[in-house]
Amino acid sequence: EVQLVESGGGLVEPGGSLRVSCAASGFSLSTHTMNWVRQAPGKGLEWVSSISSTGTFTVYADSVKGRFTVSRDNAKNSLYVQMNSLRADDTATYYCTREFQPHTGRHFDYWGQGALVTVSS
Amino acid sequence: DIQMTQSPSSVSASVGDRVTITCRASQDISSWLVWYQQKPGKAPRLLIYDASTLQGGVPSRFSGSGSGTDFTLTITSLQPEDFATYYCQQADSYPISFGQGTRLEIK
Repeated sequence: EVQLVESGGGLVEPGGSLRVSCAASGFSLSTHTMNWVRQAPGKGLEWVSSISSTGTFTVYADSVKGRFTVSRDNAKNSLYVQMNSLRADDTATYYCTREFQPHTGRHFDYWGQGALVTVSS
Repeated sequence: DIQMTQSPSSVSASVGDRVTITCRASQDISSWLVWYQQKPGKAPRLLIYDASTLQGGVPSRFSGSGSGTDFTLTITSLQPEDFATYYCQQADSYPISFGQGTRLEIK
């Protein structure tokens, strides 16, 4: 059974840093592009970042570019997002998502349960 | 960047009704359109990809259609478990973008 489990969310002050992790199981992480998608409280979905299966290609939403860094360790079946210079509008539930492969269109067939990140003083 | 616009923002319907939700892309995305369902406190669930391909395990009362810029999600014979928020997503190019969501409520 495919599972994605996020951890590392919490309360952080504006300007602070946090790393959220995603532990994957039930499939080979090394064969899938992975993404982070976030959802502010009561709001819609916002794509944050994508990382290719080998980690050589990364892309970010403009709203987080230069502040967030996505990485992966396929040997540990883990995905990460390092979030720096956090702002109040980064407050959201962060979902780890698996991209369906092989496929040209980018859609997410599995989602984690989410990790809540709250940026507040 | 591609903007995705859903309508309506919310809709009320009864069990057994047929409901249609539309999604418009700001530019041609061929058939690279995805639909998700989200219930309160839960992660989104993939329903349909490539505009009309039903994800495994999704009931056949869900269907999708469209290409280019205009797409629809249709739910026939609404069931109590279908009351949720629905999002479209363009799967064509980065940055990936979602519609603002359509809340399907019980009348």
